[in-house]
Amino acid sequence: DVKVTQSSRYLVKRTGEKVFLECVQDMDHENMFWYRQDPGLGLRLIYFSYDVKMKEKGDIPEGYSVSREKKERFSLILESASTNQTSMYLCASTPGGDSPLHFGNGTRLTVT
Amino acid sequence: KNEVEQSPQNLTAQEGEFITINCSYSVGISALHWLQQHPGGGIVSLFMLSSGKKKHGRLIATINIQEKHSSLHITASHPRDSAVYICAVDKGTYKYIFGTGTRLKVLA
Repeated sequence: DVKVTQSSRYLVKRTGEKVFLECVQDMDHENMFWYRQDPGLGLRLIYFSYDVKMKEKGDIPEGYSVSREKKERFSLILESASTNQTSMYLCASTPGGDSPLHFGNGTRLTVT
Repeated sequence: KNEVEQSPQNLTAQEGEFITINCSYSVGISALHWLQQHPGGGIVSLFMLSSGKKKHGRLIATINIQEKHSSLHITASHPRDSAVYICAVDKGTYKYIFGTGTRLKVLA
């Protein structure tokens, strides 16, 4: 079974802190995604990576950056956390083609 | 108007009931996904459809490409089916659009 592991289930950070969310997948998938999920809204794409060191902005990239130095690891960085970044963050991966998305368990981030 | 609409938003059923969740979309797609999210957050892929019908255990998913509509059916529902069910469409080039989900509660 594909495993997508997010490093933390819950995080509490202060406004202005730099925050790192880590995601690791064990199936050699090319494509990895970071989404945020807020009540009443569908999952929204923050960033997408289709290969090592390659990234594309999603629908809501402002205030975020990403890093993909190795194929299995995709990191989301909040340069200076703000309260409006309090949310559930979900990482996903897929090899592409006719394959489904595989999600991590999510990180619930609270910024105070 | 959202490009992916799900109905109902909330659904409460008695154990054993037949359940239908609907998804309508307004864009061209290469595939449609049904996902399940349990309390705590993790999301599991249930089905990926580009045409017709798929069945897995008590779950059935159908899609009508001409009408831009998909349904997820649960037969003989059980309390462990309680979850949020999410419809997502793949516009191609990994552009997924997600519905806001249907929160299902099955009572024993």
